[in-house]
Amino acid sequence: SQQGEEDPQALSIQEGENATMNCSYKTSINNLQWYRQNSGRGLVHLILIRSNEREKHSGRLRVTLDTSKKSSSLLITASRAADTASYFCATPRGGSQGNLIFGKGTKLSVKP
Amino acid sequence: GAGVSQSPSNKVTEKGKDVELRCDPISGHTALYWYRQRLGQGLEFLIYFQGNSAPDKSGLPSDRFSAERTGESVSTLTIQRTQQEDSAVYLCASSSPRQANTEAFFGQGTRLTVV
Repeated sequence: SQQGEEDPQALSIQEGENATMNCSYKTSINNLQWYRQNSGRGLVHLILIRSNEREKHSGRLRVTLDTSKKSSSLLITASRAADTASYFCATPRGGSQGNLIFGKGTKLSVKP
Repeated sequence: GAGVSQSPSNKVTEKGKDVELRCDPISGHTALYWYRQRLGQGLEFLIYFQGNSAPDKSGLPSDRFSAERTGESVSTLTIQRTQQEDSAVYLCASSSPRQANTEAFFGQGTRLTVV
């Protein structure tokens, strides 16, 4: 079964709007990561948040982590057409190590 | 190398043939992952190598799939007697878990089409 599950599956917004994507997971973890994928090829790491962190920022990205609810959110502020991509969350299978388990992703479309 | 390299970039093969996909991880990365991604779907875990430990093969879908890794370098994913359902992008990633909480670096994948 999937360790991480993103929602929504698809999101369509206008340029300049904010995009929020959510991820839920099942087991205890020591970190959660978000990745971006363009055009069905290699994924690019965006941000990693540790279990003792509640919020983290990187440029226009803001990630939150709620370990009590086993959930995380990724917020992209002031979206641009170039943000159009699929976004995945990933967690270590064993909680702290081992292979990364990815969710099914959120497909974001930002319209100019 | 500068990043994870996968070859070939694209592969078209006839049903029933064997294929080999190659992954060159980032030098020094002890962990290596293989994933499969069907069109429009998420990443499906296949196999995980970590240093000299026994690989985690729990994601391999059938005995037609196998993978090897030479030390902490190149890995080869082999699919025997390919089926049309094997058509997908196969992604390889590496990371350095000697450092706590590290990110995975992905190659650009091999797009396999079985006709």
